[in-house]
Amino acid sequence: SAVISQKPSRDICQRGTSLTIQCQVDSQVTMMFWYRQQPGQSLTLIATANQGSEATYESGFVIDKFPISRPNLTFSTLTVSNMSPEDSSIYLCSVGGQGAYEQYFGPGTRLTVT
Amino acid sequence: DAKTTQPPSMDCAEGRAANLPCNHSTISGNEYVYWYRQIHSQGPQYIIHGLKNNETNEMASLIITEDRKSSTLILPHATLRDTAVYYCIVRAENTGNQFYFGTGTSLTVIP
Repeated sequence: SAVISQKPSRDICQRGTSLTIQCQVDSQVTMMFWYRQQPGQSLTLIATANQGSEATYESGFVIDKFPISRPNLTFSTLTVSNMSPEDSSIYLCSVGGQGAYEQYFGPGTRLTVT
Repeated sequence: DAKTTQPPSMDCAEGRAANLPCNHSTISGNEYVYWYRQIHSQGPQYIIHGLKNNETNEMASLIITEDRKSSTLILPHATLRDTAVYYCIVRAENTGNQFYFGTGTSLTVIP
């Protein structure tokens, strides 16, 4: 299994500002993903973070709003740009496991936008 | 990926078996059934997966019907720590490893 850490664990931000969330894995992984979980809701996939190329975004999510970096096989960042209260969510990083069967999730970053 | 249908909530007495159903009537031949759970304020945790045979590990058993249109996750002796939201997901093996989560079943284990 992979051990995943995220920073910050939580933050309170003002509308119009941006926040960058970091995801660090303790081993090299091929696939990294970012999810959003709005209050009381299930997880929604935002994008696949590709190493060495642009992220692949799901329908409804765009690079200008959620720019993603993946500089190497153990690290990725997600930026939530020009935040509004509707962006208040838990943001989770996940990685693909050996054999591509299961995914391992980080503890999440709880974001509140005021 | 095929969609799944789960009951929104269930209760189970502590020490008893918890049987969580999932319907996936449009599942394709190359799609696996996965189960994850999310304990409050934590990231989802992998439980088990299977293609067509029943599977068992240290956490749970997965029973898949012969036509593969439904499955049941069994927690043999539920404890209070098993209180969580349980997600049933179907996904093909070669689809880039993304998971698309449904609404899940909120299981409450009662003392």
